[in-house]
Amino acid sequence: DQQVKQNSPSLSVQEGRISILNCDYTNSMFDYFLWYKKYPAEGPTFLISISSIKDKNEDGRFTVFLNKSAKHLSLHIVPSQPGDSAVYFCAASDPGFQKLVFGTGTRLLVSP
Amino acid sequence: NAGVTQTPKFRVLKTGQSMTLLCAQDMNHEYMYWYRQDPGMGLRLIHYSVGEGTTAKGEVPDGYNVSRLKKQNFLLGLESAAPSQTSVYFCASSYSRGEQFFGPGTRLTVL
Repeated sequence: DQQVKQNSPSLSVQEGRISILNCDYTNSMFDYFLWYKKYPAEGPTFLISISSIKDKNEDGRFTVFLNKSAKHLSLHIVPSQPGDSAVYFCAASDPGFQKLVFGTGTRLLVSP
Repeated sequence: NAGVTQTPKFRVLKTGQSMTLLCAQDMNHEYMYWYRQDPGMGLRLIHYSVGEGTTAKGEVPDGYNVSRLKKQNFLLGLESAAPSQTSVYFCASSYSRGEQFFGPGTRLTVL
């Protein structure tokens, strides 16, 4: 049972436009959410996170939105740059565990 | 700081062979994790450790064993490799339940 879902395997966006990556979860106990970025042949790197007590967190060009009632979060990248082309994973954890549950990833391609 | 390092970077095994993957971190993190990444499957947790001398099973532990004899090292063992264990393996560490820091990965092929 996939507790964290990224239903879009890929997304193509033009440079300068907004990229919106979506993530849904099923476990209502999840209270902390993270986004990771992964380039080919490298390990994932942390991008941004959000606690369930917030509905928005912003860091430069990256903003994460959390809708708890819909069990949905999204990552907005504005403006998108070609260097943002990578696979993006969302992840979630609940208060009782020290581990993360990852989604299957969305491959973002930003074209010049 | 080197962060999280993994040894080796690549390996090819024959079915039935054994090997150990080494993960080392220099950030004094309590928690360490082993994941595998397969196409269309995302990152799946194999085993993890919440401190020196402790280990616990993750989502896909069968066929793997781990040991955390020292705080900075987390070893992943395959006793009898199978083609289904062909994957990219990532180690990660964290101070608490938040952000995890990942190593560069080990690409393993089992023939």
